[in-house]
Amino acid sequence: GAGVSQSPSNKVTEKGKDVELRCDPISGHTALYWYRQSLGQGLEFLIYFQGNSAPDKSGLPSDRFSAERTGGSVSTLTIQRTQQEDSAVYLCASSLVFGVDTQYFGPGTRLTVL
Amino acid sequence: KNEVEQSPQNLTAQEGEFITINCSYSVGISALHWLQQHPGGGIVSLFMLSSGKKKHGRLIATINIQEKHSSLHITASHPRDSAVYICAVRDDKIIFGKGTRLHILP
Repeated sequence: GAGVSQSPSNKVTEKGKDVELRCDPISGHTALYWYRQSLGQGLEFLIYFQGNSAPDKSGLPSDRFSAERTGGSVSTLTIQRTQQEDSAVYLCASSLVFGVDTQYFGPGTRLTVL
Repeated sequence: KNEVEQSPQNLTAQEGEFITINCSYSVGISALHWLQQHPGGGIVSLFMLSSGKKKHGRLIATINIQEKHSSLHITASHPRDSAVYICAVRDDKIIFGKGTRLHILP
């Protein structure tokens, strides 16, 4: 596709449920990034992938968060047993190579945990 | 841990004014990004810098590695430049500044 796409665009869930957020990067981009922006807050870096590998998972807020990337393309961010503080906009970006290229951002997934 | 400070936090200016937004960081980095977030929430990457200066249209970004400082300049500002401008630095992680909210009055 022409840009980074994310789905769903909005997700409302009940506390304690699991959610899965999807990111489709720009074709050919080897690096993929996940960020979070809570209401009224700045951007927070969560994790990046170079290919299918995520070298550093320490940015994930808790062990309820996990991410994977398969085939060097689509990535999913999974949040287990969601909490109200997980409510945020989750943004995905991709670039040709990690760290040396412009990142292109998706529109985000707005997650609301009731 | 790298600390990223942006200034000013908020800036209101008249159309046509020259705008400068500053970003300072505390630890050596491999790259610095300037991002633009419009009121609708979409984020656009404006520049990625590791040294020197880059220009794109009315936007200019500079970085001084020794002083750990970067500036984003907007020449002949326009109301459509109204947005939040975010500085992000990369060492082993990506760390964001809190953003500068720019409002250009017609």
